[in-house]
Amino acid sequence: QVQLQESGPGLVKPSQTLSLTCTVSGGSISSGGYYWSWIRQHPGKGLEWIGYIYYSGSTYYNPSLKSRVTISVDTSKNQFSLNLSSVTAADTAVYYCARGVEMATIFWFDPWGQGTLVTVSS
Amino acid sequence: QLVLTQSPSASASLGASVKVTCTLSSGHSSYAIAWHQQQPEKGPRYLMKLNSDGSHSKGDGIPDRFSGSSSGAERYLTISSLQSEDEADYYCQTWGTGIVVFGGGTKLTVL
Repeated sequence: QVQLQESGPGLVKPSQTLSLTCTVSGGSISSGGYYWSWIRQHPGKGLEWIGYIYYSGSTYYNPSLKSRVTISVDTSKNQFSLNLSSVTAADTAVYYCARGVEMATIFWFDPWGQGTLVTVSS
Repeated sequence: QLVLTQSPSASASLGASVKVTCTLSSGHSSYAIAWHQQQPEKGPRYLMKLNSDGSHSKGDGIPDRFSGSSSGAERYLTISSLQSEDEADYYCQTWGTGIVVFGGGTKLTVL
């Protein structure tokens, strides 16, 4: 059973780069057909898709964040990562990693990580 | 523009049934969606994928009390025999041209 676990600093200073890693266990990140994804949730708010990286290396990002986001994969460590540059207090949120699955025009996230809170503050 | 609209809140009594609605924007009524549940202080959990014809497939371990249906641009999540642990936020989600979209979420209160 595939499980995902986020890790990274819980506090980031304004204007710096937020960096998080998601470790995948119970399956290989290199196995085909999956979209390794990041989603965030501002305090008390709904879910916001950040982006994903397809197993082939292709990336898709939320247009509202595209200029600041990079998602990459490290197959040797079975991990994928999120970098969000030039952060402000508006980037304070719980960040989730998830595995995206596509089948015949349907796309869903399963499973999800438990999430990690990142606070942007000096 | 692909948008999913949900009512912010819903409520029903313990043991009753409730239907949560997700509406697709104009021109996107054929899109499939997924439903996710987020219990308080927890990460989201995948519930099911739901096609425009109402056919659906649930995730591992999701109880039979959860079902999905569709009508036009509306996608429904029905929970029967409500239990206290069903009190949660429910999100619909879809994608188009590589972009993922979430609904705003529905907070379900079990009375």
